[in-house]
Amino acid sequence: QKEVEQDPGPLSVPEGAIVSLNCTYSNSAFQYFMWYRQYSRKGPELLMYTYSSGNKEDGRFTAQVDKSSKYISLFIRDSQPSDSATYLCAPTKTSYDKVIFGPGTSLSVIP
Amino acid sequence: DTGVSQDPRHKITKRGQNVTFRCDPISEHNRLYWYRQTLGQGPEFLTYFQNEAQLEKSRLLSDRFSAERPKGSFSTLEIQRTEQGDSAMYLCATGTRDNEQFFGPGTRLTVL
Repeated sequence: QKEVEQDPGPLSVPEGAIVSLNCTYSNSAFQYFMWYRQYSRKGPELLMYTYSSGNKEDGRFTAQVDKSSKYISLFIRDSQPSDSATYLCAPTKTSYDKVIFGPGTSLSVIP
Repeated sequence: DTGVSQDPRHKITKRGQNVTFRCDPISEHNRLYWYRQTLGQGPEFLTYFQNEAQLEKSRLLSDRFSAERPKGSFSTLEIQRTEQGDSAMYLCATGTRDNEQFFGPGTRLTVL
């Protein structure tokens, strides 16, 4: 079993839709949870960063972490074509540890 | 633009040749990480520096790989005797105290 799992997609939605991206992990030691967005042939871009369980909102993006079920979600409201990218779930154990990435979910937002 | 730069952006080499990549981090970030990413996968950790000290190396980092960070500034990643399986995107990231890791654009290596 991989430490971090995501549905690879591809996920295709119409512009304006609410997108739900999900991730599960197996290591209960993970404390910090990040979502990265990666456009084709570019480096990952940090999108959201949360510590422990709970919700965090930033503009159209909301990250949810449920440590009891080892489940992480990213919601995108009013999705735009510019949101078309691969979304990487990325937990880590401490504030300085290496990040363990999931395989990513490919998202296409159709105009 | 995250402020992390990598050079070169693309490298094509023949099997058996040595290659070296460079990463220039955000100046105030003392942590520097190297990752490798193959098509359809998330980045995989290779090694990590705090200032000039190399604190952790992945089992992925075989004897043919070596990384340095002299004076805790830029870092280099060298691959000796390249193999076709080394073809990947090599990513550098630098980290803050709160472990918000910022990635560079990557160096895409193709081994023929």
